[in-house]
Amino acid sequence: QQQVKQSPQSLIVQKGGISIINCAYENTAFDYFPWYQQFPGKGPALLIAIRPDVSEKKEGRFTISFNKSAKQFSLHIMDSQPGDSATYFCAASTNTNAGKSTFGDGTTLTVKP
Amino acid sequence: KAGVTQTPRYLIKTRGQQVTLSCSPISGHRSVSWYQQTPGQGLQFLFEYFSETQRNKGNFPGRFSGRQFSNSRSEMNVSTLELGDSALYLCASSLYSSSYEQYFGPGTRLTVT
Repeated sequence: QQQVKQSPQSLIVQKGGISIINCAYENTAFDYFPWYQQFPGKGPALLIAIRPDVSEKKEGRFTISFNKSAKQFSLHIMDSQPGDSATYFCAASTNTNAGKSTFGDGTTLTVKP
Repeated sequence: KAGVTQTPRYLIKTRGQQVTLSCSPISGHRSVSWYQQTPGQGLQFLFEYFSETQRNKGNFPGRFSGRQFSNSRSEMNVSTLELGDSALYLCASSLYSSSYEQYFGPGTRLTVT
């Protein structure tokens, strides 16, 4: 049973455009939702995260939108740059098992110059 | 602060052999989680250690085991290697077991032939 579903699998965006990646979860006990960025040959790096008590969190060009009733959250990358080309993973965890993250399948983002 | 270090970075083993991977968390971090990353299954949680105790275990066979030392360094062992164990093994450290933020190392690429 996949508890976190991520879409799309791959995404191609022009430089300066907006990249949007979506995730949906099933377990209502999840209360921490991070996004990770992974470059080839590297481990995932924590990008931005949100708790369910807020609907939106913005850090620079990266924004998480969270819809608790729909059990969905998304990552928006504004003014996408070629350097943003990477694989992005959404994840979720609970406060009783904070060290055990459940990951989405990942989205490969390509930003064309 | 130095990041999470994992050794070795690359490893080639033969079916039936056993392997030990090492992870040194960020200084001061006491929780270590291990994940397996494969193209087909994505990022799958293996286990989490805190204060030398296993707190959580994922759905992997008993061939996969781990331990944590008093200095928070962790090792994972895979016995009787199978071809399907070929993967990137990632270690993530957190300040405490209740800490949501996880910081990943670069991983150990294991190839089983």
